[in-house]
Parts: sequence; C-alpha cells; structure tokens
Amino acid sequence: NAGVMQNPRHLVRRRGQEARLRCSPMKGHSHVYWYRQLPEEGLKFMVYLQKENIIDESGMPKERFSAEFPKEGPSILRIQQVVRGDSAAYFCASSQTHRGPNSPLHFGNGTRLTVT
Amino acid sequence: KNEVEQSPQNLTAQEGEFITINCSYSVGISALHWLQQHPGGGIVSLFMLSSGKKKHGRLIATINIQEKHSSLHITASHPRDSAVYICAVNDSNYQLIWGAGTKLIIKP
Repeated sequence: NAGVMQNPRHLVRRRGQEARLRCSPMKGHSHVYWYRQLPEEGLKFMVYLQKENIIDESGMPKERFSAEFPKEGPSILRIQQVVRGDSAAYFCASSQTHRGPNSPLHFGNGTRLTVT
Repeated sequence: KNEVEQSPQNLTAQEGEFITINCSYSVGISALHWLQQHPGGGIVSLFMLSSGKKKHGRLIATINIQEKHSSLHITASHPRDSAVYICAVNDSNYQLIWGAGTKLIIKP
C-alpha cells in the first residue's frame, strides 16, 4: 500500500514559467492538504481539498496559485508565472476523513521547486 | 528500521503533568520540525530546529545533533494540549521524513 506520492521530487523553472506539482494520496484517502516550506521557515498550510472541491484555501496566495483534486487522477498544485520567491519545498498530505487524530495525516516527501 | 522514530506512540497523562515526547533519527539532517495535529485535522508547525533549544509558551524543544535526538516538552499540561505530535526532519536533499506521531491525551 503505497504512501502519498509526490512528483516530481525536484523541479526547476525559469521566472515566468508555470510549475505543476502532483500529489497522489494514499489509497482510500479523499482529503488532500498542501503545505509550503520556505527556506529557513516551518510548514505553512496552503489549501485543503476533497474530491472535486476546494474546502479551505485560506493559506493560498490570491494570485498565480491554484489547486485541484479531480475525480480521477492526482491533486495538482499549479503556480503560474513563477517568481524567485516561489522557490520552496511543497508538501502534500492526505487523510481518510477530516477528523484526526483517528484519521491521521500521511505526508509525501515533497517537491523541491527552484526558480532561476 | 524507520529513519525517524518517535516515542511513545501513545501517551495519556493528567492535567498539570510534565510531558516529554522523543524523536530519534538516523539520517543527516538540515533541520528538524515538531508539528501538532489537532483533533480537527489541521496541522500547526510548532518548532523548526537545527541546534540547541527553543521555547514558546509552555512548549520547549531541544535537539542534540551528535546523538541525533530531539525532545518536545510540555510544562503544566492542559486538556487542550491533546493532539498528535509529529516529528519530521529535512534530509540533505531537503526532503521531509516523517515520524509516525505521538497521540497525546491530557485528562482533566
């Protein structure tokens, strides 16, 4: 039973390009969370999605960032027109329901985005 | 053997007790995180450490790089501290490796 899979592990983009980060949750999990870790900082919540719905995007920058979790396929975090400040590690987590700790979060290993 | 080991897995204590949660790791790290997952599901980052000790309110986190060990302490514990506490480390590639978590219950 594979854990949360994120790809790519490393992504390099030039300023102005688009970045697409993928997250496949654990089997049977329908709740996905995205977190960002900026250099020298802790994890910051970005967005919480269920299948086909965005539940909480309070941590997501208003411009250039979007997230989806379609009925089929992985969750995608999309960053348009990337800037150097977007360079960070992006982590995805999934859970079976939205009620922990009986429904703990399982995290992926992250995608390291570098904007040159 | 997991690269990040937490102990204990479950901990139940009475209000007011001093709590210690331990984290040992076997890889080279650039940073160690302590996170808290509340019953509502949200995750809060408590500390990020690369050396020494940090304190925030009733929470104290320490790390011993030579021994590859970190502890999270809670003084004067309270039922609202009940949560899952997770230790995670950034390896040399800045990937995160997660511990399994410690479920803490504080009884009034």
